[in-house]
Amino acid sequence: EVQLVESGGGLVQPGRSLRLSCAASGFTFDDYAMHWVRQAPGKGLEWVSGISWNSGSIGYADSVKGRFTISRDNAKNSLYLQMNSLRAEDTALYYCAKDVGYSGYDYSWFDPWGQGTLVTVSS
Amino acid sequence: DIQMTQSPSSVSASVGDRVTITCRASQGISSWLAWYQQKPGKAPKLLIYAASSLQSGVPSRFSGSGSGTDFTLTISSLQPEDFATYYCQQANSFPPLTFGGGTKVEIK
Repeated sequence: EVQLVESGGGLVQPGRSLRLSCAASGFTFDDYAMHWVRQAPGKGLEWVSGISWNSGSIGYADSVKGRFTISRDNAKNSLYLQMNSLRAEDTALYYCAKDVGYSGYDYSWFDPWGQGTLVTVSS
Repeated sequence: DIQMTQSPSSVSASVGDRVTITCRASQGISSWLAWYQQKPGKAPKLLIYAASSLQSGVPSRFSGSGSGTDFTLTISSLQPEDFATYYCQQANSFPPLTFGGGTKVEIK
């Protein structure tokens, strides 16, 4: 069974940093791109960042570019999101999601998703 | 960036009703579209990919259609477990990958 388990969320002051982790199991991790998607309380889904299987291709939403860094460790079956200069508007539930790798493309749809880790940015 | 616009933002329907949700892309995305279902307190679940392909395990009352800029998700006969929020997502252009704003299907 494919499992994605996020960790590292919590309450943090504006301007500070936080590192999220996602532990993957049940599939060949280094065959697939991975993503972070967030959902602010009561709001819709926002794609944050994605990374290809070998880290050769990385992308970010404009809202986090220059502040967040995605990375992966294929030896540890783990995905990470380093979040710096956090703002109140970064408050959200952060999901880790596996890319389906549709038709051999790096980036397509997300399945499955983890249960999320909550990040609250507040003084 | 490609913008995805869903309509309506919410719909009230009864069990057994046919429900149709629309998603419009700001530019052509061929068939690079997926639909997700999200229930309260749960992670989203992939329903439809490549605009019209049903994800394994998803009931056949769900169907998707469209290509280019206009897409629809149809629930042919609404069941109690289908009350949820539905999102479309484009994968034609990276980065970013973008979602629609969501459509909440509520009980009438």
